[in-house]
Amino acid sequence: TQLLEQSPQFLSIQEGENLTVYCNSSSVFSSLQWYRQEPGEGPVLLVTVVTGGEVKKLKRLTFQFGDARKDSSLHITAAQPGDTGLYLCAGGGGSQGNLIFGKGTKLSVKP
Amino acid sequence: DAGVIQSPRHEVTEMGQEVTLRCKPISGHDYLFWYRQTMMRGLELLIYFNNNVPIDDSGMPEDRFSAKMPNASFSTLKIQPSEPRDSAVYFCASSPWGLSTDTQYFGPGTRLTVL
Repeated sequence: TQLLEQSPQFLSIQEGENLTVYCNSSSVFSSLQWYRQEPGEGPVLLVTVVTGGEVKKLKRLTFQFGDARKDSSLHITAAQPGDTGLYLCAGGGGSQGNLIFGKGTKLSVKP
Repeated sequence: DAGVIQSPRHEVTEMGQEVTLRCKPISGHDYLFWYRQTMMRGLELLIYFNNNVPIDDSGMPEDRFSAKMPNASFSTLKIQPSEPRDSAVYFCASSPWGLSTDTQYFGPGTRLTVL
């Protein structure tokens, strides 16, 4: 069974701080996605990475896919209150496009 | 585009009652997914459809759960009879081609409380 472990589970920081959250597995994934979910809403896709070692940047967010395609990280520079939310990683590997989701990291950025 | 539409947004019912959750996917998307989200278990895939045909229902917890997709623009998830442990947020999502690199577009969810 493929599992994705996310850490930390909860993170509370002050505006302006940097942070990194992690997504780890013992399984290889063909692709990995990061979603952000705000309270009362469904998850929204932030990025998809497909190549081992790939790095993608989205403004202040930097995503990296591990060389062995078993892990990923999300780094946020100078966090803002608008970054508050639940960050979910999701691994793809099935032929039909179903995803395996981690339980998420709940981030709170205080002004 | 209106995005994925789910109804109702909130449902409170008593144990033993039948519950029906509804979903309208994005037009033109071939894949529809039903998920359940709880604090303990996170986001779990229950079942998904390709062109209205159920492909994998191995995530459906028990026979009390059933899902249908009678046409490309409508799907239902039914729980009969409902139990307190079914309390969760249920999401519907759709994607264009079913690739693992596709974006899955989620609806706003239905928050189900079974008393």
